[in-house]
Amino acid sequence: AQTVTQSQPEMSVQEAETVTLSCTYDTSESDYYLFWYKQPPSRQMILVIRQEAYKQQNATENRFSVNFQKAAKSFSLKISDSQLGDAAMYFCAYRTDNSGNTPLVFGKGTRLSVIA
Amino acid sequence: DAMVIQNPRYQVTQFGKPVTLSCSQTLNHNVMYWYQQKSSQAPKLLFHYYDKDFNNEADTPDNFQSRRPNTSFCFLDIRSPGLGDAAMYLCATSRDPGQTQETQYFGPGTRLLVL
Repeated sequence: AQTVTQSQPEMSVQEAETVTLSCTYDTSESDYYLFWYKQPPSRQMILVIRQEAYKQQNATENRFSVNFQKAAKSFSLKISDSQLGDAAMYFCAYRTDNSGNTPLVFGKGTRLSVIA
Repeated sequence: DAMVIQNPRYQVTQFGKPVTLSCSQTLNHNVMYWYQQKSSQAPKLLFHYYDKDFNNEADTPDNFQSRRPNTSFCFLDIRSPGLGDAAMYLCATSRDPGQTQETQYFGPGTRLLVL
């Protein structure tokens, strides 16, 4: 079974600085998809960024980028120029690439605090 | 603009008293999911519908049931809530599970309190 591990329960960053959230996963599949979701306090979960395993290029969305290391099964999220609105719970998630109904597998999350 | 709507946002029920949580979507997505999320934990998938096909996770208790009367609506029924069922319940949708890169869109959640 696939597992997703986020080893940092909590992180903090100064406003305007850069922070990296770690995620590792375990799978025997070769094709899959990886996601980072953000869940602000009392607000709904939204997708931050996603990565297809077959793509070597790291995904980037504005201030958010990933460092995808397929051999190491690592998928870290880098947030540049951190803003107060980035404070949230961040979940790393995995989904296998096969037909049919395959659910997302979530990590336990990393709570990010942004210090003004 | 709301795409995935959950009502109510907060629900209080009594131990053993049946409760229903609702979810609706304006995205016309094929798939609807129900997750349970306890404090400081990752969301745990309970079940999902692909159109009318119901898919139950193996470890979802029988106490949890779901209905999807049409594309737009999906309900989570908890037949006899226990104290351990107090949690945030998240509804999510996606267009087509065959498109595995498809994003899941989450609703704001319903926080359930069991007294």
